[in-house]
Amino acid sequence: EAGVAQSPRYKIIEKRQSVAFWCNPISGHATLYWYQQILGQGPKLLIQFQNNGVVDDSQLPKDRFSAERLKGVDSTLKIQPAKLEDSAVYLCASSPPAGRRLNTEAFFGQGTRLTVV
Amino acid sequence: LAKTTQPISMDSYEGQEVNITCSHNNIATNDYITWYQQFPSQGPRFIIQGYKTKVTNEVASLFIPADRKSSTLSLPRVSLSDTAVYYCLVGGDLTGGGNKLTFGTGTQLKVEL
Repeated sequence: EAGVAQSPRYKIIEKRQSVAFWCNPISGHATLYWYQQILGQGPKLLIQFQNNGVVDDSQLPKDRFSAERLKGVDSTLKIQPAKLEDSAVYLCASSPPAGRRLNTEAFFGQGTRLTVV
Repeated sequence: LAKTTQPISMDSYEGQEVNITCSHNNIATNDYITWYQQFPSQGPRFIIQGYKTKVTNEVASLFIPADRKSSTLSLPRVSLSDTAVYYCLVGGDLTGGGNKLTFGTGTQLKVEL
């Protein structure tokens, strides 16, 4: 089974530039997550989708970050304009529908390492 | 939202059993307890999940007391390759919106020869 695919793996941009990350979740997974992980910290949830609807974006800095999940499959996360403090690894994860279970496992991609200079 | 507390770091030697305890005093009735493992430059990987008592799989065991206010991840006979950060998560389904996955700071486990 193919895993969660993310691209690019690395990106270096100057502050005030824009950047976009792409995620292709595992086929059939309804839930898609974007996390930001700053070096030495645990992943922080930015946005959670259920199919193509937003479930939770309470920690997404909406003045500069945006995300979409068209047709409930692939997703893109954009930063415009970037700041130095946005330097981090951006992780995408997906999980299947819960079905009869209350909780299910999430599968993570390898992430995109963003460096803002 | 249930908050978790776990040790920042732990050291062990190859072949020993490692137990990492997580506190989650305000766990909700429909919350599950899940542990993830993360190696450098990789995304977190699911290890084990449970609701109460004991769960065991091929890599770990999870012990949950009756009050569910804490849980212990047990790794039998660790090796150097178990050196990683281990995260304890507590959360449940968002009523059709998928599961809530909130990570804390994790426990850095270092295994030495």
